[in-house]
Amino acid sequence: QKEVEQNSGPLSVPEGAIASLNCTYSDRGSQSFFWYRQYSGKSPELIMFIYSNGDKEDGRFTAQLNKASQYVSLLIRDSQPSDSATYLCAVPLGGFQKLVFGTGTRLLVSP
Amino acid sequence: GAVVSQHPSRVICKSGTSVKIECRSLDFQATTMFWYRQFPKQSLMLMATSNEGSKATYEQGVEKDKFLINHASLTLSTLTVTSAHPEDSSFYICSARPSGTRNNEQFFGPGTRLTVL
Repeated sequence: QKEVEQNSGPLSVPEGAIASLNCTYSDRGSQSFFWYRQYSGKSPELIMFIYSNGDKEDGRFTAQLNKASQYVSLLIRDSQPSDSATYLCAVPLGGFQKLVFGTGTRLLVSP
Repeated sequence: GAVVSQHPSRVICKSGTSVKIECRSLDFQATTMFWYRQFPKQSLMLMATSNEGSKATYEQGVEKDKFLINHASLTLSTLTVTSAHPEDSSFYICSARPSGTRNNEQFFGPGTRLTVL
């Protein structure tokens, strides 16, 4: 089992809809979880992180964490075409707290 | 805040030459920086972890003598691709972890696109 798994997509949603991106991880000891957005040809940009079970909201973004089931999700409300990007889930691993990234889910928001 | 710069943003070089890429944290100190490589349509691959004042830790399969990393200060890490070959052409991205952070977040530089002819 990979350490961090994401569906590669693409996930297609119409403008204004809710996009739901999911990520599962293998290490039960993981404490914090990160969502990054990467536009084509650009470097990743941190959207938000979460470390407590439940929901964390930041504007149109909501991260949801369920440690018992070992999944973390990202909801994007009122999706906009500018949200079209690859979304990377990342989980710290190892003594140097390096992040292990999933392969990313490509989101396409159509006007 | 949390701005990371990289220089150069794009470089084209001849096969056999060496290329140095700089990564700077502009408004915070970073004891730890990371170097990634990303080939087209593939995911980020961690190459090495760079710690200020000590040797870098390389991931399995990454040649430490080919990819030289120096982290001489709390705001600067450099990656030198030695004797570059066309297969080294890729998007190299650094990230920096703010010193003292408890949450392990990393902030990425804008990346350096390397083309080896």
